[in-house]
Amino acid sequence: GESVGLHLPTLSVQEGDNSIINCAYSNSASDYFIWYKQESGKGPQFIIDIRSNMDKRQGQRVTVLLNKTVKHLSLQIAATQPGDSAVYFCAENLSRTSGTYKYIFGTGTRLKVLA
Amino acid sequence: NAGVMQNPRHLVRRRGQEARLRCSPMKGHSHVYWYRQLPEEGLKFMVYLQKENIIDESGMPKERFSAEFPKEGPSILRIQQVVRGDSAAYFCASSPMSPGVAGGTDTQYFGPGTRLTVL
Repeated sequence: GESVGLHLPTLSVQEGDNSIINCAYSNSASDYFIWYKQESGKGPQFIIDIRSNMDKRQGQRVTVLLNKTVKHLSLQIAATQPGDSAVYFCAENLSRTSGTYKYIFGTGTRLKVLA
Repeated sequence: NAGVMQNPRHLVRRRGQEARLRCSPMKGHSHVYWYRQLPEEGLKFMVYLQKENIIDESGMPKERFSAEFPKEGPSILRIQQVVRGDSAAYFCASSPMSPGVAGGTDTQYFGPGTRLTVL
């Protein structure tokens, strides 16, 4: 399969453990943040989002934390499963300020789940 | 409800040829975005279109690249006189009505991408 990035930072976790993937975003004016999962040879798949007026949001097995003070975003995956193995991207959106709604993506983290 | 569709999934061109990439947004979505992904990099924004209008093309190279989203039919990303550096995965995303409109959302949903290889 296609390799999305040969030199992406890699996080290896044991199956069943919790995973934490971190992301530093660039613009303090960003008001919407998204985490995407990208499997080899596929397009980014939406996981969870959060707006800048929140600092935490939970989904099914996933939690996103937002720290606007240090411009940091994290994705927590509970009870990591082999199917979670993928590259994870954070994206920020400046829609409220720029009006153009384009996303700015981070460089990505490869998650490897060990059996 | 079908997701974002892109074709072809793989495209091989020789230097100097033209590449045409197609994107059909999700049903009910009127906003289309194109991104490029090079190896070892995240996705980079290229252009944002609404029906018959280019809203933001700040990420698009000034020469050889063009995009359209006609009233009928898919959005097209066109690359003329391709060079080896154009080899990449090109992703299309779509979203519903603008966030400024009631019921709008910022969320963009991505297609499977077109892998362009220039020989």
